[in-house]
Amino acid sequence: DVKVTQSSRYLVKRTGEKVFLECVQDMDHENMFWYRQDPGLGLRLIYFSYDVKMKEKGDIPEGYSVSREKKERFSLILESASTNQTSMYLCASSSRTGLTYEQYFGPGTRLTVT
Amino acid sequence: EDQVTQSPEALRLQEGESSSLNCSYTVSGLRGLFWYRQDPGKGPEFLFTLYSAGEEKEKERLKATLTKKESFLHITAPKPEDSATYLCAVQATGANSKLTFGKGITLSVRP
Repeated sequence: DVKVTQSSRYLVKRTGEKVFLECVQDMDHENMFWYRQDPGLGLRLIYFSYDVKMKEKGDIPEGYSVSREKKERFSLILESASTNQTSMYLCASSSRTGLTYEQYFGPGTRLTVT
Repeated sequence: EDQVTQSPEALRLQEGESSSLNCSYTVSGLRGLFWYRQDPGKGPEFLFTLYSAGEEKEKERLKATLTKKESFLHITAPKPEDSATYLCAVQATGANSKLTFGKGITLSVRP
């Protein structure tokens, strides 16, 4: 059974703090993704990675960075958290070499920045 | 630019009242169309992938169909536990594995 896990379900941080969100997948997938989801705006892609140490900007990368040192782990970093980064953050993974391309999502991290 | 539009935004059904959710898409070349179910406060759960027009897939009370311009998620005799937000996404050929998502349809099924 496919599994994507995220380090926290709920997180409360103060403005200006550095925030780390971690994601781990056990499906040996090449691709990993970070999204944020806000009411009325849907899912928006922040960054994705198609291989270890590789990354590409998504639609809204400003204020975020990522790290992928191991194939199974993809981290999202908020260098200096701001209140407009309060959101639901979702990690996903997918195969790049298989026959199917669906993304599998983790349970999400609800981040509140005060 | 790839686009996905889902309608209606919200749908309220009585238990047992069958209906369909619509996903219209514009993409340069379709690699795959995906349906997900999302419960409040949780991550999306993968349901189906459709690859070509005319394809159909079924799972319990759900059936997904695909044409060249849209996909439908048919719900037959829904139950309250089918209440969720249903997301549609497309992947274009050469899209480097990225998906374009619609904003979702919130389905509520009353007992």
